[in-house]
Amino acid sequence: AQKITQTQPGMFVQEKEAVTLDCTYDTSDPSYGLFWYKQPSSGEMIFLIYQGSYDQQNATEGRYSLNFQKARKSANLVISASQLGDSAMYFCAMSRMNTGFQKLVFGTGTRLLVSP
Amino acid sequence: SAVISQKPSRDICQRGTSLTIQCQVDSQVTMMFWYRQQPGQSLTLIATANQGSEATYESGFVIDKFPISRPNLTFSTLTVSNMSPEDSSIYLCSVEAGNEQYFGPGTRLTVT
Repeated sequence: AQKITQTQPGMFVQEKEAVTLDCTYDTSDPSYGLFWYKQPSSGEMIFLIYQGSYDQQNATEGRYSLNFQKARKSANLVISASQLGDSAMYFCAMSRMNTGFQKLVFGTGTRLLVSP
Repeated sequence: SAVISQKPSRDICQRGTSLTIQCQVDSQVTMMFWYRQQPGQSLTLIATANQGSEATYESGFVIDKFPISRPNLTFSTLTVSNMSPEDSSIYLCSVEAGNEQYFGPGTRLTVT
């Protein structure tokens, strides 16, 4: 079975600083994907970034980067130059990649608050 | 990417009634997924809907309670039947696009 652990229920960061949100995972599948989503108070789930288990390079998307350490089974999200609009819940998720489709398993989330 | 719409965006329903949630995608997709997010919780997969076949339900979810239709490659519905206050949640549909998975805006359901 797959499991995602997010140990930080809440994080605080000042505007323009970088912040790292932790995510560790557990799986016996050799092929898997790791995802990060942002959920503002409106409730929508906004896709941020994806990392495949066989990808050699860490994924980056604008101010978001995924610090993928396969041996440690961690997939931390780094947000650079935080903005007030980054305040939201952040969920880490994973899926199997060898079944032809993705069933996402989510962590419990981290609430990020960006202060001026 | 994929653009997904859901209707209704929110609703308040009486216990014992049913609500059907619609999910429309702007492109043809093989699989559609329905998730539930209870208040203050993470997302949990309810079922996977493949066009032309019965939906596959996750442990703890049954077809009688959450019937799903998938009449074509761009549309699906989820019905929450015989509702109780415990069904108050955000219900989200999602689809795959390449290696990424995108979600609709969600339906916020309150059962009184």
